[in-house]
This record gives sequence, structure tokens and C-alpha cells, in this order.
Amino acid sequence: GNSVTQMEGPVTLSEEAFLTINCTYTATGYPSLFWYVQYPGEGLQLLLKATKADDKGSNKGFEATYRKETTSFHLEKGSVQVSDSAVYFCALTKNYGGSQGNLIFGKGTKLSVKP
Amino acid sequence: DSGVTQTPKHLITATGQRVTLRCSPRSGDLSVYWYQQSLDQGLQFLIQYYNGEERAKGNILERFSAQQFPDLHSELNLSSLELGDSALYFCASSVGQGGESPLHFGNGTRLTVT
Repeated sequence: GNSVTQMEGPVTLSEEAFLTINCTYTATGYPSLFWYVQYPGEGLQLLLKATKADDKGSNKGFEATYRKETTSFHLEKGSVQVSDSAVYFCALTKNYGGSQGNLIFGKGTKLSVKP
Repeated sequence: DSGVTQTPKHLITATGQRVTLRCSPRSGDLSVYWYQQSLDQGLQFLIQYYNGEERAKGNILERFSAQQFPDLHSELNLSSLELGDSALYFCASSVGQGGESPLHFGNGTRLTVT
């Protein structure tokens, strides 16, 4: 079945460090891929997405490239800030022409950024 | 603010009881999704409704049920509660039936079963 595997956390970085959170997926067909972020006490928010191979999603300095050959969608940011501290979820959904769209999430990676 | 409203924010109840969680989707969104977030299982999709009709079902127990009303708000009913049902329950909404439509999540209802 479809699944998402992301690196175990927590990840602790100093401010301005480079961030990579690995995500790989298993799916039949051509899924859409997403990164969601959950700040403390809040619901998840869409951070970025990519809908086909080689697409790069980007937002707020974060980016991730849809790599079909390695079934990966790693999240990167060149210089993290304390305000980036949150839990990051990689997710996929299948494009069934709109008939189904529930997201399959990875277990989440907690990021803590120290000043 | 995602525009998705969930009530109550916190719920504490005893084993064997029944509770109802409520969700109002973002204005204009026709789909409502329910997710359960627990430490051991992570985020699990429970069920989706689109414009009042059940659209997709995930790992939802038979003790749980949901519905979406004509005004598009949704309720998740949890009965015969067990300790293991303690979790954060999220509602999300989207414009379409899914696929590429991003989901907008509420802040969740934290259920504690004692």
C-alpha cells in the first residue's frame, strides 16, 4: 500500500544552520506530495507541494523536489530561524481525478532551533 | 487562522462513555476530513465527507461514526470509549473532493479518556 517514511526526530539545530528532513514514499501511480507544518498548539498547515516528477515546491525559504527515480521529497532550508521550530510532516495523496483525496502522513519530524 | 473551527478544544471523559466532536469547515469548502493524532500511531485518516456524502474511509473503528450536515458542518461521534482513544482529533476541509486540493486543518480537539 501507499506509505510515507520520514527521518526520526527530534532534530536540533542552531539558528542559521542548514536543514534537511528526509522523506521517501511508496505509492502506485503518480502521487502528489506535500509538506505540512504543525506549530505548537495548532493544526497542520500546508507548507509546500509538488504534483509531478521534478516539480519543486517552495515556500518561506523551504523547498523540496519531487524525485520519482528515488521516490523522495526531502525538505530543505538554507538558514533556519527559531520561529521554524515545529513538527514537519511529509504526506502524499493520490490523484484519482478528485474521487478520493485523503492524505497519508509520515510520523512527523520535530525540529527545534536554538538561538 | 485556517478558518476551520473545532469544538470543544478539550474533552475529558470516562471509559465507556460517548462524545461528539464538532467541526465547521472553512467557508466555501465542501469536503471535511477527520484525522486522529496519537503518539504511537501518528496521524491517521479516519473518514472524509464531501457535500454531505461519505467519500472515503480510513482507519475508523466501528465504535466511531461521523456525518456531514446540510450546512456542511460535521460531527464525529465516539462511543464505548477506551483509554486508547485518548488522542488529538483534527478536522480539515478542502474545496474539492481531494487530489491536489490542500487541506486546511482546525486546531484539534484533545480527548482524554480516564
